[in-house]
Amino acid sequence: EDQVTQSPEALRLQEGESSSLNCSYTVSGLRGLFWYRQDPGKGPEFLFTLYSAGEEKEKERLKATLTKKESFLHITAPKPEDSATYLCAVQAYNQGGKLIFGQGTELSVKP
Amino acid sequence: NAGVMQNPRHLVRRRGQEARLRCSPMKGHSHVYWYRQLPEEGLKFMVYLQKENIIDESGMPKERFSAEFPKEGPSILRIQQVVRGDSAAYFCASSPGGQSYNSPLHFGNGTRLTVT
Repeated sequence: EDQVTQSPEALRLQEGESSSLNCSYTVSGLRGLFWYRQDPGKGPEFLFTLYSAGEEKEKERLKATLTKKESFLHITAPKPEDSATYLCAVQAYNQGGKLIFGQGTELSVKP
Repeated sequence: NAGVMQNPRHLVRRRGQEARLRCSPMKGHSHVYWYRQLPEEGLKFMVYLQKENIIDESGMPKERFSAEFPKEGPSILRIQQVVRGDSAAYFCASSPGGQSYNSPLHFGNGTRLTVT
């Protein structure tokens, strides 16, 4: 069964304090791994897609990396506006476009 | 270019009533997905539809829940005889489909259903 596990469940950082979020996955044939950001009361907002081990993507203070078993979302010098829940999801080759999501990591960045 | 539109944003129903949730995909997108998010839980897949076809309904409860995506008009998620456990945020997402299976899903802002 395809499965995604994210850790930690919650993370509190001071502004400027860099850290990483983890996403471990088990999937029968990975087509892609997706990172989303979700703000309270809103739908998930797409951040990155990673397709193969060793791939990296960057956007402002965020950098996503992928290995054969996990993905990391690195946050460099975060700001309070980076506070949100970050969701990881996988898409398998035999599942059409369906995404399987992890539980998310709730990030709080204090000034 | 308008994003995924869901309505209503909030819906209150009494136990036993019917709930109808609507979703208009992004322009040019022909695939629609419905997800449910319970408090303190992640997004759970419910159903995946193309125009006039249900492709994957493996996440749909066997009773009371149904979904459609007609040739014209929005996709509808219908919940009959709602119970308190149906209270959740329901999100719709769309994608271009076809050969673009690895395109990201674009989500709406959800419908928050409260059953009293």
